[in-house]
Amino acid sequence: EPEVTQTPSHQVTQMGQEVILRCVPISNHLYFYWYRQILGQKVEFLVSFYNNEISEKSEIFDDQFSVERPDGSNFTLKIRSTKLEDSAMYFCASSVQGNEQYFGPGTRLTVT
Amino acid sequence: EDQVTQSPEALRLQEGESSSLNCSYTVSGLRGLFWYRQDPGKGPEFLFTLYSAGEEKEKERLKATLTKKESFLHITAPKPEDSATYLCAVQARAGKSTFGDGTTLTVKP
Repeated sequence: EPEVTQTPSHQVTQMGQEVILRCVPISNHLYFYWYRQILGQKVEFLVSFYNNEISEKSEIFDDQFSVERPDGSNFTLKIRSTKLEDSAMYFCASSVQGNEQYFGPGTRLTVT
Repeated sequence: EDQVTQSPEALRLQEGESSSLNCSYTVSGLRGLFWYRQDPGKGPEFLFTLYSAGEEKEKERLKATLTKKESFLHITAPKPEDSATYLCAVQARAGKSTFGDGTTLTVKP
């Protein structure tokens, strides 16, 4: 069964550094998403991406964040100048028609 | 602003003891309501999509129902392997889903 994959599973970085989180969505899906979940809190929407552009973004997704689909299979989230409060699980998801979303296993980001 | 409230926060059941989880929502123009299961340290696993009031979906011991203001996830004769956090999310427009805090279900043998 096709699934969303994410790398790395755990990323440790120092405050102020840039990180890139990588995702490979399910191959025939057209909509791509990033969410985050701070430990013990709810899943929060960051951004959605369709037809090679951002279709929606939340207030969390400020100039520190950017997304890219550099080729036909990868979808990346870049976080510039990381802060302690960026520590969270980051989930990528994909969808065929923009409704039911299939999530990856997540990347645990720890900012020290 | 879209809002999702799930109750109870935690639910402990004996194996075989049926119960229901509640998801109350406010959204301007519901595009879809989704139920997910999340195990510790894992990503949410899609269970159901409901689109309109009166709709019901079933999968094994789970049944999801939808009204104009809330959704229920009914669990019939649960087993220990059903222990997980169950998440409800609403979507008002393509792209943005708003999640509730979840209900953590523990089923004891």
